[in-house]
Amino acid sequence: AQSVTQLGSHVSVSEGALVLLRCNYSSSVPPYLFWYVQYPNQGLQLLLKYTTGATLVKGINGFEAEFKKSETSFHLTKPSAHMSDAAEYFCAVSKSSASKIIFGSGTRLSIRP
Amino acid sequence: EADIYQTPRYLVIGTGKKITLECSQTMGHDKMYWYQQDPGMELHLIHYSYGVNSTEKGDLSSESTVSRIRTEHFPLTLESARPSHTSQYLCASSLHRDQETQYFGPGTRLLVL
Repeated sequence: AQSVTQLGSHVSVSEGALVLLRCNYSSSVPPYLFWYVQYPNQGLQLLLKYTTGATLVKGINGFEAEFKKSETSFHLTKPSAHMSDAAEYFCAVSKSSASKIIFGSGTRLSIRP
Repeated sequence: EADIYQTPRYLVIGTGKKITLECSQTMGHDKMYWYQQDPGMELHLIHYSYGVNSTEKGDLSSESTVSRIRTEHFPLTLESARPSHTSQYLCASSLHRDQETQYFGPGTRLLVL
């Protein structure tokens, strides 16, 4: 069975600081990995996804994530946080394009002025 | 921007009432999904559909039912609402050949008194 663990339900950083949101997964087959963002009172929006190929994936709004098979991780980073990045971030995994997506419990990102 | 709509956005209702949460998408997507999300928790898939007249139960058992009579419409019904049904319900859709990229609606926050 597949699962996703997001370390830290709440992360707070200062504006301009590095953002690092951690995600570890378990999968019996090569996974498809995703990061979604949920702004207040809105639905989820795809930030980026890894399927095959290059392990460093760039997404929208300056975010990127690196698939590290040896560490079973897919951490999300952004070099410089902006106030507008405050939101809930969900890591997710699926076995293939034909499989259901399993979501993590989410990490709430707060940005301090 | 995703064209997937949910109504109502907020609903407060008494125990025993029948409710229908509406979800519509104008993207011509084959697959549609319903997720249940409690505050600070992961999304749980409760229903999905591959296309018209196709409905399947998700990973989380739910007393709700769904129907898919038209491609663009995927309503969720609770015959008799209970306080335990209080949650946020998120609808999503995807193309069948690219179903890992799911587009989400804004959600319906349901409170059953």
